[in-house]
Amino acid sequence: EVQLLESGGGLVQPGGSLRLSCAASGFTFSSYAMNWVRQGPGKGLEWVSLISDTGDNTYYAESVKGRFTVSRDNSKNMLYLQMSSLRAEDTAVYYCAKDVRVTAVPWFDPWGQGTLVTVSS
Amino acid sequence: DIQMTQSPSSLSASVGDRVTITCRASQSIRTYLNWYQQKPGKAPSLLIYAASSLQSGVPSRFSGSGSGTDFTLTISSLQPEDFASYYCQQTYSTITFGQGTRLEIK
Repeated sequence: EVQLLESGGGLVQPGGSLRLSCAASGFTFSSYAMNWVRQGPGKGLEWVSLISDTGDNTYYAESVKGRFTVSRDNSKNMLYLQMSSLRAEDTAVYYCAKDVRVTAVPWFDPWGQGTLVTVSS
Repeated sequence: DIQMTQSPSSLSASVGDRVTITCRASQSIRTYLNWYQQKPGKAPSLLIYAASSLQSGVPSRFSGSGSGTDFTLTISSLQPEDFASYYCQQTYSTITFGQGTRLEIK
């Protein structure tokens, strides 16, 4: 069974840093790109970042570019999101999601259960 | 970025109703359109990919159609477990989601 399990969320002060982790199992992790998506309280979904299967290519939403860094360790089946210069508007549940590209059209499946990040003083 | 506009934002319906949710892209995205369901306190789950392909394990009462800029998600006969929020997602360029449609029990 494919599973994604996020961890590392918590309360952090504005301007602070936090590293999220996503542990993958049940599939060949090194063969798939991975994404981070967030959802603010009572809000919709916002794509945050994509990392290629090898980790050589990374992409970010404009809202986090320069502040967040995505990385992966294929030897450990782990995905990470290093977040710095955090702002109140970064408060959200952060999900990792597997990027599926069987055809030309990519989609996300499955998603992890999410980890809550709260930025507040 | 490509803007995705869903309508309606919320919808009240009854068990057994036929429901349609629409998603409009600000420019053509061909069929690079996916639909997700999200229940309260849970992660989103994939329903439809590439505009009209049903994800394995998803009931056949769910269907998707469209191409270019206009897309629809249809639930042919609402079941109690279908009351949830639904999101469209375009993966043609920088990934964006619609704002969501909350489907409530009438």
